[in-house]
Amino acid sequence: AQKVTQAQTEISVVEKEDVTLDCVYETRDTTYYLFWYKQPPSGELVFLIRRNSFDEQNEISGRYSWNFQKSTSSFNFTITASQVVDSAVYFCALSEPSNNNDMRFGAGTRLTVKP
Amino acid sequence: DTGVSQNPRHKITKRGQNVTFRCDPISEHNRLYWYRQTLGQGPEFLTYFQNEAQLEKSRLLSDRFSAERPKGSFSTLEIQRTEQGDSAMYLCASSSRQLRRETQYFGPGTRLLVL
Repeated sequence: AQKVTQAQTEISVVEKEDVTLDCVYETRDTTYYLFWYKQPPSGELVFLIRRNSFDEQNEISGRYSWNFQKSTSSFNFTITASQVVDSAVYFCALSEPSNNNDMRFGAGTRLTVKP
Repeated sequence: DTGVSQNPRHKITKRGQNVTFRCDPISEHNRLYWYRQTLGQGPEFLTYFQNEAQLEKSRLLSDRFSAERPKGSFSTLEIQRTEQGDSAMYLCASSSRQLRRETQYFGPGTRLLVL
């Protein structure tokens, strides 16, 4: 069963637009962790955020913000005023203690920001 | 702290040959993970170590694959009798259980092409 679903395969926006990347997850654990990673064309996965299931506060870091909604099992990621350098594949991932904290990744969303 | 490093970065081999990849984790991290990523997909978990103990192996890890972490520091992933289907990016990640903020940090990956 797919644990992490990123329904948007590709998104294309024009620079300065806001864009939201969706992530829906499935778990039976009460404690779990959610992550977002960025994979630019160079290929290296870059850690963006880690969220504990008990912490539902939304987080903002510069132009990035995350909306964690436990009720809908979603952990969406918004980039405000997008820039060309934001172009990358973005992965959402789930880590569950019942699964030895192995990370299960979604299929990724390819974001293209055009100038 | 220089991050997770992997060698080689690229490997081209002929079908049937054996290949070995190396991962050097962040020095204070006691957990080490191997993932495989094929084109257009998210990373898939292969195996992980806590110190020198291999605690979990995915069903994706066939008997042609073996991983070791002999001294609880660097790890090697060997693929014997390579097949074309083994062509992928092999990613290594490390994390620290003690820090209780277990975030996995990824290396740049080894891209394998089996001809």
